[in-house]
Amino acid sequence: KAGVTQTPRYLIKTRGQQVTLSCSPISGHRSVSWYQQTPGQGLQFLFEYFSETQRNKGNFPGRFSGRQFSNSRSEMNVSTLELGDSALYLCASTRAASTDTQYFGPGTRLTVL
Amino acid sequence: TQLLEQSPQFLSIQEGENLTVYCNSSSVFSSLQWYRQEPGEGPVLLVTVVTGGEVKKLKRLTFQFGDARKDSSLHITAAQPGDTGLYLCAGPPKGGGSQGNLIFGKGTKLSVKP
Repeated sequence: KAGVTQTPRYLIKTRGQQVTLSCSPISGHRSVSWYQQTPGQGLQFLFEYFSETQRNKGNFPGRFSGRQFSNSRSEMNVSTLELGDSALYLCASTRAASTDTQYFGPGTRLTVL
Repeated sequence: TQLLEQSPQFLSIQEGENLTVYCNSSSVFSSLQWYRQEPGEGPVLLVTVVTGGEVKKLKRLTFQFGDARKDSSLHITAAQPGDTGLYLCAGPPKGGGSQGNLIFGKGTKLSVKP
């Protein structure tokens, strides 16, 4: 069974641009979560989607947004990029229930210049 | 704000040594999880502890959940180079939250030299 896949794996952008990251969950998984990982702050929760609806949201500015499609694939978008948005963005999927195990993808490394 | 603090931040040891890493909070967690993350990869779940005082073993790794469910520890016996990685503890926030919405500690970066 294929794992969680994220594209692209690496991305370089400049300040002020916007970026869209993609995540394909494990087949049959309906929940997708996004996290930002930085050396200073560690892993921080961005948002969680389940059946195309945002189920939970972390404490990030409105520049960070996401969506989930009917096939459970998810995208996250960051507008007006700032230098501090440079990070590893991780996507994780779970089957459905709140107690299901979460499986992480390899992440997208975003560098903002 | 619920926080998970991990210590030490960095640990460099020789193969064969034992080690313990800690995960502490001033808040009660309904459960805590431990993950290992290797460079270029996402975190992989090692274990979930749910009951206060619970001890779980995974080969040479022993996980303990504190009686008050505010802290946890991970002990590795006879560490091997393959144990090298970033060890993260995580738990669901108070008031619900799911496994898809976790609070993470900043991690302990372990390096085991042959």
